[in-house]
Amino acid sequence: NAGVTQTPKFQVLKTGQSMTLQCAQDMNHNSMYWYRQDPGMGLRLIYYSASEGTTDKGEVPNGYNVSRLNKREFSLRLESAAPSQTSVYFCASSRQENEKLFFGSGTQLSVL
Amino acid sequence: AQTVTQSQPEMSVQEAETVTLSCTYDTSESDYYLFWYKQPPSRQMILVIRQEAYKQQNATENRFSVNFQKAAKSFSLKISDSQLGDAAMYFCAYSLGGSNDYKLSFGAGTTVTVRA
Repeated sequence: NAGVTQTPKFQVLKTGQSMTLQCAQDMNHNSMYWYRQDPGMGLRLIYYSASEGTTDKGEVPNGYNVSRLNKREFSLRLESAAPSQTSVYFCASSRQENEKLFFGSGTQLSVL
Repeated sequence: AQTVTQSQPEMSVQEAETVTLSCTYDTSESDYYLFWYKQPPSRQMILVIRQEAYKQQNATENRFSVNFQKAAKSFSLKISDSQLGDAAMYFCAYSLGGSNDYKLSFGAGTTVTVRA
C-alpha cells in the first residue's frame, strides 16, 4: 500500500551541482506532477505528465527537466542547482485531471 | 493564471469548537473544481474535500463542510467539533474544468492550531 514514493527525503547540494528526484506510484494513475512548496506561497506546479509519454510545463519550470520513464515513474532533474531552488518538492499523481491528487511525502532540498 | 487567496495566515480554535477558513478565487470560467487539502506536521498532503462548480450543493465530509458561493467566488471550509488531529496547514486549490488542463493552483495556506 505504498501510494506515491519519492526519494530522497532530504538533500543538500552546492550551487551548480546536479541531481534527480525520483518518484514512483503504484496506483496505475495516468497523471503525475511535480510541485514545489515555499513558505507563504503554497504549492506551485513545476511540470506535469498527463499520461505516459507526455510532459508539459507548469507555472515554474525554469531550471528543471522531467522524464516520464513509464506509467509508474516520473523524475525531476536539476541540471545546475541554484539557491533559489531551495524548497520542499512534492510528487503527486491522479487517475486523471481534476481528480484527487495523491502526494508523496516530500523532499527537503537545500542548495548552498 | 488563476489566483487563489487565503486571507487568514493563522487560525486558532478550542477543541470541540468550530472554525471557518476563508478562500476566494479569481476566474472567468464557469466549469472548474475547488479543493481543500490538509498538511499536518508530517508534511503529507491529504485531500479534505472537493467541490465541482456546476453542483449547487455544498460538499461535506464528516466534520468538514464547505460554503461554496459561486457568484462571490468564495469557498470557505468549516471544521466542526475540532479535534487535536485537525491541527495542520490547510490549502485551498482551484483547477479549471474540461480536458487537458492539469494545473492545480494553490493558495498560500492557513495554519490551524487546536487548543486542548
